[in-house]
Amino acid sequence: DQQVKQNSPSLSVQEGRISILNCDYTNSMFDYFLWYKKYPAEGPTFLISISSIKDKNEDGRFTVFLNKSAKHLSLHIVPSQPGDSAVYFCAASGTGTASKLTFGTGTRLQVTL
Amino acid sequence: KAGVTQTPRYLIKTRGQQVTLSCSPISGHRSVSWYQQTPGQGLQFLFEYFSETQRNKGNFPGRFSGRQFSNSRSEMNVSTLELGDSALYLCASRASTGPDTQYFGPGTRLTVL
Repeated sequence: DQQVKQNSPSLSVQEGRISILNCDYTNSMFDYFLWYKKYPAEGPTFLISISSIKDKNEDGRFTVFLNKSAKHLSLHIVPSQPGDSAVYFCAASGTGTASKLTFGTGTRLQVTL
Repeated sequence: KAGVTQTPRYLIKTRGQQVTLSCSPISGHRSVSWYQQTPGQGLQFLFEYFSETQRNKGNFPGRFSGRQFSNSRSEMNVSTLELGDSALYLCASRASTGPDTQYFGPGTRLTVL
């Protein structure tokens, strides 16, 4: 049972444009969400997080939107840069199990010149 | 601050052997979680330790165990290795036990022959 889903395995965006990565979840107990960027054979690098009491959080070029009613979150990267090319994972945790992150399957983002 | 460190970075073992992986969290972080990443199953939570006590556990067999020391460093042990245990093992630390960002180490790549 995949509780966190990233339905797009890959995404290609031109440099300077907006990248939008999507994530859906099924567990209504999730109340904290994170996005990580990962390169092969390396650990995930934290990008941005959002608590369920908010619907938007910004950090520089990264913005995360949370739609609780739709159980959907998205990561916007503006403007996209070639260095953003990596696999992006969304992750979620719930009250009482905050240490247990449930990860999506990842979306490979390629930013082209 | 130094990040999460993991040793060794690469390990090759044969079936039936056992292995111990080590993780040093970010200074001041008392919670350490372990994850397994495989191509087939993605990133999956193994367990979390806080103040030398296991607080959460994922759905892995008893061959997977861990411990945490008083300085918050953690070790993970896998006994009677199977081919399917070949994976990237990731350690993450965080400052508190509530909803909080987990910061990952570079991982240990275990290959079981």
